[in-house]
Amino acid sequence: SQQGEEDPQALSIQEGENATMNCSYKTSINNLQWYRQNSGRGLVHLILIRSNEREKHSGRLRVTLDTSKKSSSLLITASRAADTASYFCATDAYSGGGADGLTFGKGTHLIIQP
Amino acid sequence: GAGVSQSPSNKVTEKGKDVELRCDPISGHTALYWYRQRLGQGLEFLIYFQGNSAPDKSGLPSDRFSAERTGESVSTLTIQRTQQEDSAVYLCASSLVTNSNQPQHFGDGTRLSIL
Repeated sequence: SQQGEEDPQALSIQEGENATMNCSYKTSINNLQWYRQNSGRGLVHLILIRSNEREKHSGRLRVTLDTSKKSSSLLITASRAADTASYFCATDAYSGGGADGLTFGKGTHLIIQP
Repeated sequence: GAGVSQSPSNKVTEKGKDVELRCDPISGHTALYWYRQRLGQGLEFLIYFQGNSAPDKSGLPSDRFSAERTGESVSTLTIQRTQQEDSAVYLCASSLVTNSNQPQHFGDGTRLSIL
């Protein structure tokens, strides 16, 4: 089953506006990552936030993490047409030191209208 | 430097045939992962390799799926007796070490279509 669930499934906004996407997960995590996927391409890592962090910034990106609610949000400020893509959150379920693949949600498809 | 390279980029084959997908990770990356992405869905973890250790095969959907990796280089994912349900994009990723705090670097995937 999906560990991460993003919402909304799709989001369309005007260029220059801010876009907010949310992610909820089910089990304890070491960290949470956000990735972007342009159509027909692989995923590109955007930002990683550790379980002991609450907020992190990278350029126009701001990520928050609330481990008590098992949720995260990704904010993209001053959106651009090039931000049009699908955005996925990914978690690594804590497995006592073992490493597993990341568990991805179904993604939010973001469309920036020029 | 080169990123993760996957080949072929597209593969169309008839049901029942075997297919082999290839992944060249970033040089020096010891961890390699395979995922499957069905249309409009997130990624489904299949298998990962760490150096010369035995791979974690827990995510493989059936015994028709197998994967190999030579040392810390190329990996191949083989699907035998393909079924239509195998149609998907198969993505490979690598990371510097098998450490969940390391980002994974993805190739552009192989789009597999089973007729």
